[in-house]
Amino acid sequence: DAGVIQSPRHEVTEMGQEVTLRCKPISGHNSLFWYRQTMMRGLELLIYFNNNVPIDDSGMPEDRFSAKMPNASFSTLKIQPSEPRDSAVYFCASSVVRDRVQYFGPGTRLTVT
Amino acid sequence: KQEVTQIPAALSVPEGENLVLNCSFTDSAIYNLQWFRQDPGKGLTSLLLIQSSQREQTSGRLNASLDKSSGRSTLYIAASQPGDSATYLCAVIRGNQGGKLIFGQGTELSVKP
Repeated sequence: DAGVIQSPRHEVTEMGQEVTLRCKPISGHNSLFWYRQTMMRGLELLIYFNNNVPIDDSGMPEDRFSAKMPNASFSTLKIQPSEPRDSAVYFCASSVVRDRVQYFGPGTRLTVT
Repeated sequence: KQEVTQIPAALSVPEGENLVLNCSFTDSAIYNLQWFRQDPGKGLTSLLLIQSSQREQTSGRLNASLDKSSGRSTLYIAASQPGDSATYLCAVIRGNQGGKLIFGQGTELSVKP
C-alpha cells in the first residue's frame, strides 16, 4: 500500500487566497484525521471523520477552516481566506478504526505571506 | 483538560547507550497511549501502542511502559544507534473521545557516533 497520500507537499500563497489541501487515506481505513503542527503549539487535531462523517471538529480554529470527506478515499481541508498565522505543516492520518494506530501522511507545508 | 508533557525536550547521547524518554499525562482516564517517531521534514511513524489495560509493549530495541495511576509512560531504547536520531512524541486517547490524540511536545534525540 502507498500509505496516506497528501497533496500538495508545499504550498506558498498570499494572504487572502483560498487554500485547499488534499488527502487520500489508506484503503480500508475507516477513520481520517487532520492535524496541524507548529513550533508554538505542537501537534493539534483539527477534525476527524469516522466512516466519512465528521465526529469531532472542536479543533478547527475558526470559520475560515472547513473540511469535507465526500467518499472513503478522499478528503479536503480548505482555508478561506488564508492568513499568515495559518502557516504550519498540515498532516492527514488514517486508521482502521478511530482508537487504533494512526498512520500519518508526509504533510503539507503551508506558507502564507 | 488532558495535558501531555515530555521530558527532556532534547537529549544527546553517545552511540550504544541505553536511554529513557519520559511522558506524563494529567488525566488517567485514557483509552491508549501511543509513541511516535518524527524525522525532520517528515510525517509521524507509529512505534508502539499500549492499551490502558496493558503495562508494557516491546518492539525490537524499544520497550514502552504505562503506569496509568501515576499518569506516566516511558520509552526505553536499548543500544542506541545514530539512526535513532529523531523527535519522539507520545500521545494519549481519552476514554470517551474516540480517536482524538493529545500529543506532547516531543523529545528531540541525537545519538552521536
